[in-house]
Amino acid sequence: GAGVSQSPSNKVTEKGKDVELRCDPISGHTALYWYRQSLGQGLEFLIYFQGNSAPDKSGLPSDRFSAERTGGSVSTLTIQRTQQEDSAVYLCASSLVPQSSYNSPLHFGNGTRLTVT
Amino acid sequence: KNEVEQSPQNLTAQEGEFITINCSYSVGISALHWLQQHPGGGIVSLFMLSSGKKKHGRLIATINIQEKHSSLHITASHPRDSAVYICASLNSGGSNYKLTFGKGTLLTVNP
Repeated sequence: GAGVSQSPSNKVTEKGKDVELRCDPISGHTALYWYRQSLGQGLEFLIYFQGNSAPDKSGLPSDRFSAERTGGSVSTLTIQRTQQEDSAVYLCASSLVPQSSYNSPLHFGNGTRLTVT
Repeated sequence: KNEVEQSPQNLTAQEGEFITINCSYSVGISALHWLQQHPGGGIVSLFMLSSGKKKHGRLIATINIQEKHSSLHITASHPRDSAVYICASLNSGGSNYKLTFGKGTLLTVNP
C-alpha cells in the first residue's frame, strides 16, 4: 500500500479481555516501531522491530503486552487482560532502515484508538 | 536520561502570522525530528535534521547542536496549519531507533 495501515482504527473492549492491534508497514521497510499516546501525554516508545527481530522490548509497559512481526512485514501488538490504563492511541511507524540514516524518515499509521471500559 | 521540552504548549495565531515553536533537549543527539499531528489524524514527519537548517515550503526547521535547541518556523501561517507539532530526539551513542518525544505544541491558526 501507499502508507502504513493500522487496524482496527477504533477498538472498545471490556476490562480483562485480550486485544490484537495490527500494523501493515510500507512495503520494503525493514524497521517497524510501536508507540503509545495516552490522553494528555506525549508519545511513548513501546517496541522496535528490525526485520522479524525485536532487539528492544524495554518499552513494553508490562508482561501483558507482546508483539510479533512475521515475514518482515505485518506486525501484531497484543494486550492480554486489558486494564483501563491501557486506553490510548497505539501508533505504528515504519522506516526503510533504522533512523540513524538521514534518508530514512519515519512514516506513521493513523493509529488504533483503544478504549477499555 | 534525555528530556525533551517544547514551548509553548499552546499557541494561537492569526492567519498570516509568523510562528515559532521551540524544542530543547538535555543530552547529545544524533538527529531531531519535527512531526505534525492533525486532530483525529495520523502523524506526518516534517523534518529530520542533525545540523543547520532545512526548509520545505513555508516550514523551516533549525537546530543548534551546541545549545541543544531546535526551532520550527511557519511563515505566512494558514488555518490548515492548525495541528499539534511534536519534536523528538534520537540520542547519540545510544540506540538508532528509540526516540524521546516532547509533549507537543498545539497550534491554532484563526482566519
